Amino acid sequence: DGGITQSPKYLFRKEGQNVTLSCEQNLNHDAMYWYRQDPGQGLRLIYYSQIVNDFQKGDIAEGYSVSREKKESFPLTVTSAQKNPTAFYLCASSKDRGHNSPLHFGNGTRLTVT
Amino acid sequence: AQSVTQLGSHVSVSEGALVLLRCNYSSSVPPYLFWYVQYPNQGLQLLLKYTSAATLVKGINGFEAEFKKSETSFHLTKPSAHMSDAAEYFCAVSAVFPLIQGAQKLVFGQGTRLTINP
Repeated sequence: DGGITQSPKYLFRKEGQNVTLSCEQNLNHDAMYWYRQDPGQGLRLIYYSQIVNDFQKGDIAEGYSVSREKKESFPLTVTSAQKNPTAFYLCASSKDRGHNSPLHFGNGTRLTVT
Repeated sequence: AQSVTQLGSHVSVSEGALVLLRCNYSSSVPPYLFWYVQYPNQGLQLLLKYTSAATLVKGINGFEAEFKKSETSFHLTKPSAHMSDAAEYFCAVSAVFPLIQGAQKLVFGQGTRLTINP
């Protein structure tokens, strides 16, 4: 079955370390997204990518970086510059850029930084 | 700019009772509206979407939502709650990124946690 795989499910890091979250999709979708979820705040967009080798900042991109070297992969790096990195991170994809194209989500990575 | 407000961060109903989750949106253009469901420690799944066809939209698991332009609302309902409906529900509106033709951005509400009492 096609879907989005995020790994690992749980990740623990010390403050000051960079960490990379993996996101892979086999849905042949063009667009991919990273969201951050905090209790009571819904989902906030970090970065998105419409095509390979292109990505754009979302609403809360500071302290994060991404790459899109392959259509299937959209890894997110949480850098030491991110002031409050502990959160649940969700990767998503959509078939195209049309605004009625629903998002398909992975099962998330819960990052804890101490 | 688009925005979504979900009224009530927590809703509790008895098993078999009506479920009503409220969502109001703000949009300067005709909106595309979505409801997603999230079970604990999982990603979001699409329940249903409104794309300007019928105003009453039927989704999975017996849920439906009605688009009311005059009230700028897109409330989610289910006639009879089941224990398996306990989850968090998110309403979202689709916006077009400025300066980028055709790019999609979903703006999410803050979520409503639904609890089902036996």
